Amino acid sequence: NAGVMQNPRHLVRRRGQEARLRCSPVKGHSHVYWYRQLPEEGLKFMVYLQKENIIDESGMPKERFSAEFPKEGPSILRIQQVVRGDSAAYFCASSPSSARSGANVLTFGAGSRLTVL
Amino acid sequence: DAKTTQPPSMDCAEGRAANLPCNHSTISGNEYVYWYRQIHSQGPQYIIHGLKNNETNEMASLIITEDRKSSTLILPHATLRDTAVYYCTITGTASKLTFGTGTRLQVTL
Repeated sequence: NAGVMQNPRHLVRRRGQEARLRCSPVKGHSHVYWYRQLPEEGLKFMVYLQKENIIDESGMPKERFSAEFPKEGPSILRIQQVVRGDSAAYFCASSPSSARSGANVLTFGAGSRLTVL
Repeated sequence: DAKTTQPPSMDCAEGRAANLPCNHSTISGNEYVYWYRQIHSQGPQYIIHGLKNNETNEMASLIITEDRKSSTLILPHATLRDTAVYYCTITGTASKLTFGTGTRLQVTL
């Protein structure tokens, strides 16, 4: 029973290139969350998606960043024209589609570390 | 989401209980208290959650005050592997979790 799988684990890009980070949620989970963690800082929420829908993107930068969670396949976080300030660890988390108890426990992946040269 | 307040750092001797406090005075009736931890630069790990009652699992115990304005995470016998940043967070059903700066717990010999 695999957990949340993120790839690549490490990604190096030059300024101006595109970065694509992939996240496969826990089997059966249909909610996906992306978080960013800058060096020596806390986790910052970016976006919350369900299958084919963006539910909350209040933490996403207005430009260059986009996310999707298609009906089939992993969730993708895409960063266009990367800059040095995008260097960070990007964590994906997933949760079940229903929360009978009312709680919403997230399972996190190991993260993707983006370095922009 | 309601905000939480945690001490920035704490020390604990190995084998002793680690008691990590969290204030969440603006918590609303349907919001749960969650605890996660992040060991070094790994992905955050879920520890425990609760609504009103105290909770215990194989990792820890969660004590929530009667007015729900604060809680304490208890690691009964801390080990060196429990050294991590511990996050207390509050949210309602199927909502995003917002993390603060957490408490950096250092377990020492």
